[in-house]
Amino acid sequence: AQKITQTQPGMFVQEKEAVTLDCTYDTSDQSYGLFWYKQPSSGEMIFLIYQGSYDEQNATEGRYSLNFQKARKSANLVISASQLGDSAMYFCAVRSGNTPLVFGKGTRLSVIA
Amino acid sequence: GAGVSQSPSNKVTEKGKDVELRCDPISGHTALYWYRQSLGQGLEFLIYFQGNSAPDKSGLPSDRFSAERTGGSVSTLTIQRTQQEDSAVYLCASSLVFGDPNYGYTFGSGTRLTVV
Repeated sequence: AQKITQTQPGMFVQEKEAVTLDCTYDTSDQSYGLFWYKQPSSGEMIFLIYQGSYDEQNATEGRYSLNFQKARKSANLVISASQLGDSAMYFCAVRSGNTPLVFGKGTRLSVIA
Repeated sequence: GAGVSQSPSNKVTEKGKDVELRCDPISGHTALYWYRQSLGQGLEFLIYFQGNSAPDKSGLPSDRFSAERTGGSVSTLTIQRTQQEDSAVYLCASSLVFGDPNYGYTFGSGTRLTVV
């Protein structure tokens, strides 16, 4: 079974600074995908970034990057140049071939002006 | 459609009543998923469909919960004899392919269910 651990219930960051949201995962499968989603107060789940287990380079999408450390089973999300609109819940998730996405409990990020 | 559509967006019901929640996935997406999110919590997986088939129903919280999907498209999640602990946001998602870990999900905006 897959499991995601997000150890930071809440984080604060100053506007324009970078922030790292932690995520560790547990899976016995060799082929899997790691995902980060953002959930603003409006409730929708917004896909941010994806990392495949066989990808050798860290994924990047604009201001988002994923610090993938396979040996440590770690997939931290880095947000650069934080903006007020980044304030939201952030969920890390993992899936392998025949299982649905398994989510962590999330981290609430608050960006301070 | 362009996105995953869920209805109603909000539902208030009396304890003991039955409710139906609807999900219309992205056209052509073969896989459909239902999750539940209680206040301030993460997403709890309920059930998924490959086409019209639901191979694993073990995530459903009780036998009061059931789901079906017809025509490989619209899905309905039914909760019978609702209880206050059923109050949550019910999220639906779809993906192009089920068995490929490289595919993520597109989520709908959810149905906020309140049982009074």
